[in-house]
Amino acid sequence: QVQLIQSGAEMKRPGASVKVSCKASGYTYTNFGVSWVRQVPGQGLEWMGWVSVDSGNTVFAENLQGRLTLTADSTTGTASMELRSLRLDDTAVYYCAHSCSNINCRNDWFDPWGQGTLVTVSS
Amino acid sequence: EIVLTQSPAFLSVSPGERVILSCRASQDVSNDFAWYQKRPGQAPRLLVYGASTRATGIPARFSGSGSGAAFTLTISSLQSADFAVYYCQQYHDWPRTFGQGTKVEI
Repeated sequence: QVQLIQSGAEMKRPGASVKVSCKASGYTYTNFGVSWVRQVPGQGLEWMGWVSVDSGNTVFAENLQGRLTLTADSTTGTASMELRSLRLDDTAVYYCAHSCSNINCRNDWFDPWGQGTLVTVSS
Repeated sequence: EIVLTQSPAFLSVSPGERVILSCRASQDVSNDFAWYQKRPGQAPRLLVYGASTRATGIPARFSGSGSGAAFTLTISSLQSADFAVYYCQQYHDWPRTFGQGTKVEI
């Protein structure tokens, strides 16, 4: 069964960094990508960025460019999301989702999703 | 970026009713379009991709239609498990974008 398993909840101070991991199981560790999506409490889904597990290519949401790093390791099937200079409004549940493997893919629906990781930013 | 506008924002319905949710894109996205269901405390669940193809395991009461810039998700007979927030998403262009959601409530 295809699954994405995320790392556990984090609590951070403003200005700190957080790294969330997402490990794939149940399928081969190549030919896929990972998109990251977050949901601030009471708000909708926000797409953050994408990384190809095969090539390491990335695309970022413009509002997060400069604070966001996405990486992937095809040998372990693990993708990671690091967000720097955390602010109070970065408090959210962060999700990874199985996505396309290359930037020109036209089949980029998100399925399956990880279980979500709550990141709380508080002073 | 492509903006997706969902309507209505809230829908108050009863079990057994037929529900139609709409999503309009700010430009043509062909059929590079998906619908997701989001329940509190759970990860989003893919319902429909390619605008009209049901994802694996999704009940037949869910159906998607449309192409270009106007899309609908129909739930033919609402069940108690269907009370949730529904999001549309386009993957025609970068950045990928979601609609703001439609909350289906009792």
